[in-house]
Amino acid sequence: AQKVTQAQTEISVVEKEDVTLDCVYETRDTTYYLFWYKQPPSGELVFLIRRNSFDEQNEISGRYSWNFQKSTSSFNFTITASQVVDSAVYFCALSETNTGANSKLTFGKGITLSVRP
Amino acid sequence: ETGVTQSPTHLIKTRGQQVTLRCSSQSGHNTVSWYQQALGQGPQFIFQYYREEENGRGNFPPRFSGLQFPNYSSELNVNALELDDSALYLCASSSLADQETQYFGPGTRLLVL
Repeated sequence: AQKVTQAQTEISVVEKEDVTLDCVYETRDTTYYLFWYKQPPSGELVFLIRRNSFDEQNEISGRYSWNFQKSTSSFNFTITASQVVDSAVYFCALSETNTGANSKLTFGKGITLSVRP
Repeated sequence: ETGVTQSPTHLIKTRGQQVTLRCSSQSGHNTVSWYQQALGQGPQFIFQYYREEENGRGNFPPRFSGLQFPNYSSELNVNALELDDSALYLCASSSLADQETQYFGPGTRLLVL
């Protein structure tokens, strides 16, 4: 069975600090996708990034960067120079391709990030 | 904004009642999935609809049912409501061109008393 573990539950940083959110996953599938979503207080899940299991290249998008390592089954997310607007709950998710659904997402429990001014 | 809309935004029901939640998919998206998010937890997959048929289901009892319409809008129906059904219900849609990426609506917050 697939599983996503986000061991950190709450992180609090001061504005402009860098912060890394950890994600560890379990799957028996060889083809899968990993995601990060952001959930602000409004409740809507905002898609941030998707990675497939064959692409281990790290990615940078502005202040955001992602480190995917298959050897450790991890897909970590770093926010550089954090801002107050980054305060939200961040979810890591996994989808497999053989579940009978086009994309059934398995989510971690989420990490609540608070950025203080 | 993703273009996925849900109604109503909030709902209060009593135990034993039935509820219908609605979702309008993003334009061009033909697959819709529903998730339940309890307070302090990650979303849990309920089921997915593609071409108006159920296309995968999570670990939820049959009193959770759904429909998808020809215009790709969708409904989630829950019968015989229980207190534990209190949660945020999220609808997500994806397109044929990119079925792996799901775009979520703002959710319906259901409280069962």
